[in-house]
Amino acid sequence: NAGVTQTPKFRVLKTGQSMTLLCAQDMNHEYMYWYRQDPGMGLRLIHYSVGEGTTAKGEVPDGYNVSRLKKQNFLLGLESAAPSQTSVYFCASSYSYQTGGTDTQYFGPGTRLTVL
Amino acid sequence: RKEVEQDPGPFNVPEGATVAFNCTYSNSASQSFFWYRQDCRKEPKLLMSVYSSGNEDGRFTAQLNRASQYISLLIRDSKLSDSATYLCVVNTAGNTGKLIFGQGTTLQVKP
Repeated sequence: NAGVTQTPKFRVLKTGQSMTLLCAQDMNHEYMYWYRQDPGMGLRLIHYSVGEGTTAKGEVPDGYNVSRLKKQNFLLGLESAAPSQTSVYFCASSYSYQTGGTDTQYFGPGTRLTVL
Repeated sequence: RKEVEQDPGPFNVPEGATVAFNCTYSNSASQSFFWYRQDCRKEPKLLMSVYSSGNEDGRFTAQLNRASQYISLLIRDSKLSDSATYLCVVNTAGNTGKLIFGQGTTLQVKP
């Protein structure tokens, strides 16, 4: 079991460029999440998904889009990167209440993104 | 007011010391509570869940006080390897699985 994996691990973008971060989990979790972590701000939820084909906005969704076409994958897109999006991005997944699971979240190793 | 508040520290303690962290949360409807540990430049990992009756895992003891809406973590006999940031985590009301993370409390254990 790889758990939660993220690609890429590091990326440097120029302002205005686009990119997609990929998150994959092999635990058959229903729920998946994207967070960003900035110094002094803690983890902030960007978008989340409660199942294949569904997504919802979190606390800081502006400038990001997501897609969950397959249960095991959750993609985070930046259409036009800005320096304010320089951050560490973490993906997480969890079981759902409906399947009798707990809401413990399991995290990927993170993607360090710098926007110049 | 933040939904989950923690003293960011840092807490600097010698090896073998006992140290306690507290955390307060604002949503009285929250049902699940956790402590996560995050090492420098790594992902957060679950340390322990927090149950109403309090629970212990080796040198770690977690307590929940629903009436006062605070959670605590006690670490006994601190080890150098305990140096990390400890995140207090609370779920939101409803079945979305969403968690709210505190900013974290940094612990440095010194020889």
